[in-house]
Amino acid sequence: DVKVTQSSRYLVKRTGEKVFLECVQDMDHENMFWYRQDPGLGLRLIYFSYDVKMKEKGDIPEGYSVSREKKERFSLILESASTNQTSMYLCASSLSLPGHLNTEAFFGQGTRLTVV
Amino acid sequence: KNQVEQSPQSLIILEGKNCTLQCNYTVSPFSNLRWYKQDTGRGPVSLTIMTFSENTKSNGRYTATLDADTKQSSLHITASQLSDSASYICVVSANTGGFKTIFGAGTRLFVKA
Repeated sequence: DVKVTQSSRYLVKRTGEKVFLECVQDMDHENMFWYRQDPGLGLRLIYFSYDVKMKEKGDIPEGYSVSREKKERFSLILESASTNQTSMYLCASSLSLPGHLNTEAFFGQGTRLTVV
Repeated sequence: KNQVEQSPQSLIILEGKNCTLQCNYTVSPFSNLRWYKQDTGRGPVSLTIMTFSENTKSNGRYTATLDADTKQSSLHITASQLSDSASYICVVSANTGGFKTIFGAGTRLFVKA
């Protein structure tokens, strides 16, 4: 069974803290993604990576950075957490990027982050 | 502007009944459309994928349709079960040189006993 694992289900952090969200996939996928999911909105892409050490900004990269030192691991970093970053964060991986038929994204279970 | 609109926002049905969820999109140039199911507290899981030339695709009690001319898709659930209670998300990908995938906000389905 394919698996994308996020390190935490729930996190509570204080404003201004540096926050690390970790994601690991066991499918040898080239592509990994970080999304945030807020009520009434579709998933919004924060960053994605198509190879080790490669990263591309998504639609809402401000206030976030990422790290991909190994193929299986993709980390999302909140440099200085703010209350408007309270959200559900979803990590995903895929064999191909959209535009190709084999584009199914496999998602982790999500990390619900609360910034107080 | 690339958009994916889903309706209804939420839906309550009785167990055993059928229902249809709608997805309208303006994403261009169109590559493929997926329906995902997201159980509460879990990540989305793919149900179906449809390309330009496909009109209908089934996955058990789930049947997706696509009308590429009107840019509409639907997901029909037959003989609903309590386990169908979830959010259903329509996702459309564009066939560009870059990476463009647009997620709908989802339809929240509640199936009651």
